[in-house]
Amino acid sequence: DSGVTQTPKHLITATGQRVTLRCSPRSGDLSVYWYQQSLDQGLQFLIQYYNGEERAKGNILERFSAQQFPDLHSELNLSSLELGDSALYFCASSGGPRDFDEKLFFGSGTQLSVL
Amino acid sequence: SQQGEEDPQALSIQEGENATMNCSYKTSINNLQWYRQNSGRGLVHLILIRSNEREKHSGRLRVTLDTSKKSSSLLITASRAADTASYFCATEPLNTGNQFYFGTGTSLTVIP
Repeated sequence: DSGVTQTPKHLITATGQRVTLRCSPRSGDLSVYWYQQSLDQGLQFLIQYYNGEERAKGNILERFSAQQFPDLHSELNLSSLELGDSALYFCASSGGPRDFDEKLFFGSGTQLSVL
Repeated sequence: SQQGEEDPQALSIQEGENATMNCSYKTSINNLQWYRQNSGRGLVHLILIRSNEREKHSGRLRVTLDTSKKSSSLLITASRAADTASYFCATEPLNTGNQFYFGTGTSLTVIP
């Protein structure tokens, strides 16, 4: 058990809809990362938050947004969903007191199916 | 864009053999890490090697890093059926503040 909790585990929705994925990081971790994993694109970095602030953006679409709350949990919002958004979405956390040699702890992912 | 590329994409070996997979990346890095993913599950950290290190060991794992070639290799010795998984390298580029970019992964199958 990595200590990172993601909900829901599975999500089935229709095109055009909006969904929210939730992540609770490991206790004490300040950084939260979101990744998208699809068969043809591998593991794509979407966005990183550190202690409530956006720290870095990767290949995140404008239809997607995220935030990290004061209790450090994070939500990834996906809107105007398309078939191609179907993927496994991972949250990972890191960031104890050190700021070097950080490693990521991954949740078990949310499998999103857009029909 | 992706930072790392693993090679080969897929590898099938007999139990007891060694498995070697390679990772190439594009920019200068702080460190390089290897992760393992069992089918459909979250990734698990295996080993980290810093940019000033050339080789590191952890149990049956051996990682090398050649920063001049921007490449790394992961060797798993005496493989077991339980090693069957996908393996990913992840790089932390310089001056990115703990951003991590993953490759496409190598799918390893160990045949009992």
